[in-house]
Amino acid sequence: GDQVEQSPSALSLHEGTDSALRCNFTTTMRSVQWFRQNSRGSLISLFYLASGTKENGRLKSAFDSKERRYSTLHIRDAQLEDSGTYFCAPSSGSWQLIFGSGTQLTVMP
Amino acid sequence: GPKVLQIPSHQIIDMGQMVTLNCDPVSNHLYFYWYKQILGQQMEFLVNFYNGKVMEKSKLFKDQFSVERPDGSYFTLKIQPTALEDSAVYFCASSPGANSDYTFGSGTRLLVI
Repeated sequence: GDQVEQSPSALSLHEGTDSALRCNFTTTMRSVQWFRQNSRGSLISLFYLASGTKENGRLKSAFDSKERRYSTLHIRDAQLEDSGTYFCAPSSGSWQLIFGSGTQLTVMP
Repeated sequence: GPKVLQIPSHQIIDMGQMVTLNCDPVSNHLYFYWYKQILGQQMEFLVNFYNGKVMEKSKLFKDQFSVERPDGSYFTLKIQPTALEDSAVYFCASSPGANSDYTFGSGTRLLVI
């Protein structure tokens, strides 16, 4: 919603390149989860962070532990299968995740 | 990894009829959720369910909506009666604790005609 701003809204990369996606929050968040939604609509969880950084293969995510108002997702050596829409979804501590508008990533050969 | 299963994957229904969307959450998860995504738009929270009760719901969770999980079976979202604007993909999710790692299902694509 309005509390979550994702950038960029769309991104095209060539295979093998690196990039970073960012989410800014208008208020302090307790945790953040990153998802990739594929072309069939399935939502795949990439990372859940309450603080600090996590890495999984070519993906790495960070959640600002001080002010807790932004998070990043880094993609290294992009591959065709990384294409999809990436959502960050922070939680302020209530029962719900607040989804951003997403970054539509296209990886080209 | 553990999965959330949603049945059916697609449903077409006449406006005014009742529909029940079924969700089989991850087995040791205690918190269950429904989210709604209209085509091309972002995911929006509908409702959270824990210990047999609705803990929080959004303004999208209209009076025509209800949720239950009788005796540990499917976690269901019932819409009665359906309206055209209920057409969307409905995602079920579960988590082991409050505000912890969510697992989402693949969604049920509902079309109300």
